[in-house]
Amino acid sequence: ETGVTQSPTHLIKTRGQQVTLRCSSQSGHNTVSWYQQALGQGPQFIFQYYREEENGRGNFPPRFSGLQFPNYSSELNVNALELDDSALYLCASSALAGNEQFFGPGTRLTVL
Amino acid sequence: GNSVTQMEGPVTLSEEAFLTINCTYTATGYPSLFWYVQYPGEGLQLLLKATKADDKGSNKGFEATYRKETTSFHLEKGSVQVSDSAVYFCALSVSYGNNRLAFGKGNQVVVIP
Repeated sequence: ETGVTQSPTHLIKTRGQQVTLRCSSQSGHNTVSWYQQALGQGPQFIFQYYREEENGRGNFPPRFSGLQFPNYSSELNVNALELDDSALYLCASSALAGNEQFFGPGTRLTVL
Repeated sequence: GNSVTQMEGPVTLSEEAFLTINCTYTATGYPSLFWYVQYPGEGLQLLLKATKADDKGSNKGFEATYRKETTSFHLEKGSVQVSDSAVYFCALSVSYGNNRLAFGKGNQVVVIP
């Protein structure tokens, strides 16, 4: 059974640019959630996708957007990058009916 | 809203010492409670969970009991090892068609040989 994978591992962008992060969910899971973890903080919920539709969103601006594909993989897009967007971005997959989420290793985004 | 509060500051202790990390929560409804562990440079791993009051979650020598009366879910381990050095996060989920997790700020645990 393959776990949750994320790409790329690390990414460096400059302020104002756009970035796309990718996540492959664990086999059998139809739900993907994205979290932002700033340095020294706990993860903050960005949004969740279930069957290609957004299913809940945290307190993040619209320049954070996402997609889920028919194979349940997902993308996180961030437009107009700001310095404060520098963080570890974590993807987690689950079965919506379940309450356990399985996390990927994360993508470390640095905005200069 | 739903939130989790963890005790402030890192925890440094000697090998074989007793570990306690405090966690309290505020939630609407009946949350499930979790402890996640994050090793350096890695993502989060589920350590243990409890889904209803008085449940005890346990794994790898760690334990936590869901205390509804005190809204707490403290993590304990009787004898820590150097390999337990990591960041520990308490989290909750209230499933109303969305099992999003709300995390505490985390506690860095450093175990000294």
